[in-house]
Amino acid sequence: DIVMTQSPDSLAVSLGERATVNCKSSQSVLYSSNNKNYLAWYQQKPGQPPKLLIYWASTRESGVPDRFSGSGSGTDFTLTISSLQAEDVAIYYCQQYFTTSYNFGQGTKLEIK
Amino acid sequence: QVQLQESGPGLVKPSETLSLTCSVSGGSLSGYYWSWIRQLPGKGLEWIGYIYYSGDTNYNPSLLSRVSISVDTSENHISLKLTSVTAADTAVYYCARVKEYTTTFDFWGQGTLVTVSS
Repeated sequence: DIVMTQSPDSLAVSLGERATVNCKSSQSVLYSSNNKNYLAWYQQKPGQPPKLLIYWASTRESGVPDRFSGSGSGTDFTLTISSLQAEDVAIYYCQQYFTTSYNFGQGTKLEIK
Repeated sequence: QVQLQESGPGLVKPSETLSLTCSVSGGSLSGYYWSWIRQLPGKGLEWIGYIYYSGDTNYNPSLLSRVSISVDTSENHISLKLTSVTAADTAVYYCARVKEYTTTFDFWGQGTLVTVSS
């Protein structure tokens, strides 16, 4: 099983500032034959299901604001919100889809400072 | 726009079978994989399994002995059965559509809380 570990567990950032969430996988999720990282990011607001933000580590889902970006390769990945808005308060999860079990990270809670 | 809605009993007794249905509207099941995912209280997300519209399935190895997912294309719904439940199966259960060419989840139901208790 690939274990996904996020850091930090919680994060407080001022409005308009940059927020960064990290995700580390216990083994590489980079598939060498197509050079794609099988890593996604989701946003979950209270009382709502998760929302897909980013897949292939850096491809934004349709309709997701461009202040959200994903980066990284292999085992280390980052979700960045370039300028935090009030509506970005949520829990953020990474997910690997390299192997069956398709594990999620434990989540990072993002709040306003 | 595709919409998903989970339904089923909110309370199941220990050792019994949890049964849920996910009704899909605004689109056909055809051509897609459809998944069940659960969220344990205060904890993260766990993928349960998925089914292709044709009936092919893939399950989380940790649940393989207890889980079954089926599809009914005429009714446009998928179903989940989880046998021999314990309190550890108490969770919010979501159905979701699998995004093409990935195993990520692009459309989700609102989820349904299932509590396992006598």
